[in-house]
Amino acid sequence: DAKTTQPNSMESNEEEPVHLPCNHSTISGTDYIHWYRQLPSQGPEYVIHGLTSNVNNRMASLAIAEDRKSSTLILHRATLRDAAVYYCILRVFGNEKLTFGTGTRLTIIP
Amino acid sequence: EAQVTQNPRYLITVTGKKLTVTCSQNMNHEYMSWYRQDPGLGLRQIYYSMNVEVTDKGDVPEGYKVSRKEKRNFPLILESPSPNQTSLYFCASRSPGLAGITGELFFGEGSRLTVL
Repeated sequence: DAKTTQPNSMESNEEEPVHLPCNHSTISGTDYIHWYRQLPSQGPEYVIHGLTSNVNNRMASLAIAEDRKSSTLILHRATLRDAAVYYCILRVFGNEKLTFGTGTRLTIIP
Repeated sequence: EAQVTQNPRYLITVTGKKLTVTCSQNMNHEYMSWYRQDPGLGLRQIYYSMNVEVTDKGDVPEGYKVSRKEKRNFPLILESPSPNQTSLYFCASRSPGLAGITGELFFGEGSRLTVL
């Protein structure tokens, strides 16, 4: 299975943009890139996903490199509520296993 | 409100005493799954179910059983719990998505299990 690599932790100031990187150098053509986050004492929640093109939704933006070997989750204006563990996951089309890994722990500094 | 409900949220038990963690979703999702979360290991999939009476193993199925007799319920059964099954367990269900693309997973709030 293709794997993802994320930094263990990151810090950002409140009200500033945050760029969370993810490397997936062994990604294949049918792998979707998914992002989830897990707030303290909660289950993970969906953030965004994409295949090739950059994606935007109300929570975040996903920028995907042209060669698809890396991607960046962008939180445009971080709030304290965005402090969480962020997971970058590759989802093979038709494969029901979803491997989360250890993610990036994001700390927001007031 | 759309939700995935797990019970119990917290449980302390002893080795060998059978237990069941229930999971119920009210979104009419066909796909449901169980994960366990351990420090330093992230979330690992235990079992998943594509629909009623259809279940399959995830990455760490040993020591667990599941059943899917109704669409809304997907209980996780530990027939003979052992201390290495002490963990935080999450149930999830998934929306169908569009054109075969994976829909998003909805997770329950978790069940913290301690086996002594």
